[in-house]
Amino acid sequence: EVQLVESGGGLVQPGRSLKLSCAASGFTFSNYYMAWVRQAPKKGLEWVATISTSGSRTYYPDSVKGRFTISRDNAKSSLYLQMNSLKSEDTATYYCARETTRPLDWFAYWGQGTLVTVSS
Amino acid sequence: DIVLTQSPALAVSLGQRATISCKTNQNVDYYGNSYMHWYQQKPGQQPKLLIYLASNLASGIPARFSGRGSGTDFTLTIDPVEADDTATYYCQQSRNLHTFGAGTKLELK
Repeated sequence: EVQLVESGGGLVQPGRSLKLSCAASGFTFSNYYMAWVRQAPKKGLEWVATISTSGSRTYYPDSVKGRFTISRDNAKSSLYLQMNSLKSEDTATYYCARETTRPLDWFAYWGQGTLVTVSS
Repeated sequence: DIVLTQSPALAVSLGQRATISCKTNQNVDYYGNSYMHWYQQKPGQQPKLLIYLASNLASGIPARFSGRGSGTDFTLTIDPVEADDTATYYCQQSRNLHTFGAGTKLELK
């Protein structure tokens, strides 16, 4: 059974940093592209980042490019999201998601999410 | 950027057909595939993949759900609608990075 468990969320002040983690199990982690998708309270879904199987290629929307960094440790079956210079509009539930074995397809599995609140 | 437009809400009766539309401002077809996908999200839960590549049913999803379309016009159909289908439905394109529609909230009459 595919499982994705996020952690690391919490309350953080504007301008500060936070690092999210996602522990994956139930599949061969190194074979899949992985992603982060977020959802602000009562709002829709917004894709945040995608990383290739080896970690050599990363993709971001303009809204987070230069502030967020996605990374992975295939030996630990773990995905990370380093978020810097956080803004109030980054407040959201952040979901870890498994894509496919090809670049930028669909999100086949999702974790339960971790809430990040950016506020002073 | 590819923009996806969905109607905000839809109300249908139990046992009837629900048709949810998603229109894009650019063609999302590429080499014979339409890079359009659909998700269901119930309150307090993570999204769940329903349909990928416009018309392929994801694993474990009942055949009451179906998708069709190509180019810039896509639909998700639920027939017949059951009480458990009340949720918000999102379309998502992956022809050029990823973008989601704003979601369509399905309610029962």
